[in-house]
Amino acid sequence: AQKITQTQPGMFVQEKEAVTLDCTYDTSDPSYGLFWYKQPSSGEMIFLIYQGSYDQQNATEGRYSLNFQKARKSANLVISASQLGDSAMYFCAMRAYSGAGSYQLTFGKGTKLSVIP
Amino acid sequence: EADIYQTPRYLVIGTGKKITLECSQTMGHDKMYWYQQDPGMELHLIHYSYGVNSTEKGDLSSESTVSRIRTEHFPLTLESARPSHTSQYLCASKSPGQGARNDYTFGSGTRLTVV
Repeated sequence: AQKITQTQPGMFVQEKEAVTLDCTYDTSDPSYGLFWYKQPSSGEMIFLIYQGSYDQQNATEGRYSLNFQKARKSANLVISASQLGDSAMYFCAMRAYSGAGSYQLTFGKGTKLSVIP
Repeated sequence: EADIYQTPRYLVIGTGKKITLECSQTMGHDKMYWYQQDPGMELHLIHYSYGVNSTEKGDLSSESTVSRIRTEHFPLTLESARPSHTSQYLCASKSPGQGARNDYTFGSGTRLTVV
């Protein structure tokens, strides 16, 4: 079974500072994908960044980077130069094979990030 | 601009009423999903479909039902709403293949409150 663990229910960061949100995962599927989503209070899920299990380099998307450590099964999100608009819930998710020809997207419990002026 | 649309955005309804949450996408995706999310909590998969006339239950047991008569439309129905159904319901679709950066597209969600 697939599992995503986010151990930080809430995080605070000073504006313009960098912050790391932790994510560990577990799967027996050798071919999987890892996603980070941002969910503001309005409720929509906003895609931030993606890392494939066979990707050699860590993914980067603007101020977002993913610190992928495959042996440790971790996929931490790094946000550089935090902005007030970054305050939101952040979810780590994994797409992996779940049996019977089915791939599913499994989510962690999320981390609530608050950016302090 | 959203390519997947959910209506209504907010719904407050009385116990025992039948409700249908609408989800439509314009991308021609075969795979569509419904997730349930309690406030501040993770998303749980309750239904998915891999194409027309295909529906399956997800990991989280739900009293809701779904249908997939057209590729673009994946409505969710509760025959008799209860306060325990109060939650946010998110619809998503997936592009074909694997390894794409932005596989999944999510709707804006429906926040359901049953009183």
